[in-house]
Amino acid sequence: AQSVTQPDIHITVSEGASLELRCNYSYGATPYLFWYVQSPGQGLQLLLKYFSGDTLVQGIKGFEAEFKRSQSSFNLRKPSVHWSDAAEYFCAVALYSGNTPLVFGKGTRLSVIA
Amino acid sequence: DTGVSQDPRHKITKRGQNVTFRCDPISEHNRLYWYRQTLGQGPEFLTYFQNEAQLEKSRLLSDRFSAERPKGSFSTLEIQRTEQGDSAMYLCAGQTSGGSNEQFFGPGTRLTVL
Repeated sequence: AQSVTQPDIHITVSEGASLELRCNYSYGATPYLFWYVQSPGQGLQLLLKYFSGDTLVQGIKGFEAEFKRSQSSFNLRKPSVHWSDAAEYFCAVALYSGNTPLVFGKGTRLSVIA
Repeated sequence: DTGVSQDPRHKITKRGQNVTFRCDPISEHNRLYWYRQTLGQGPEFLTYFQNEAQLEKSRLLSDRFSAERPKGSFSTLEIQRTEQGDSAMYLCAGQTSGGSNEQFFGPGTRLTVL
């Protein structure tokens, strides 16, 4: 069965520092991968997605992610974190294809300090 | 604004009572998903619809849960004989199949069962 692992429950970074959030997935075929962000009191917002093609994908708010099939990973990165990036981040894989239910990881909570 | 609204935003009920939640996506969202999110966890898939047809139900969806989308527009999720373990955030997401594959999430309904 498909599964997503986010090894880091909580990460704290300084404002302006770089960020990498880890995500590992388990999926038999070509995965459809997503990163969502959830701010307090807000709904889930899509940051970026990967279906095929270029393994480095760009998203909103300056985020990017790299798909590495050999490592079954889809890590999220940002070169310089802003205080407003503090939120919960979820990696997800589609159950079958793009238009199907998502399997989410447990999330990584990002704190940003001055 | 994702265009997906949910009502109510908060619901407090006593154990054993029935509750019903509503989700209103935009008209272009022919697919509609329900997820449940408990504290410290990622969203978990419950069920989804293609127009008015319910395509799949998760094993998480016990017999006490029922979902409908009678006219292919809004959807309702009913929980009968609520239990304390049902306390969670219930999320709804709309999607346009054949579109960008993005699921647009509503703000959620937070259920507390006393």
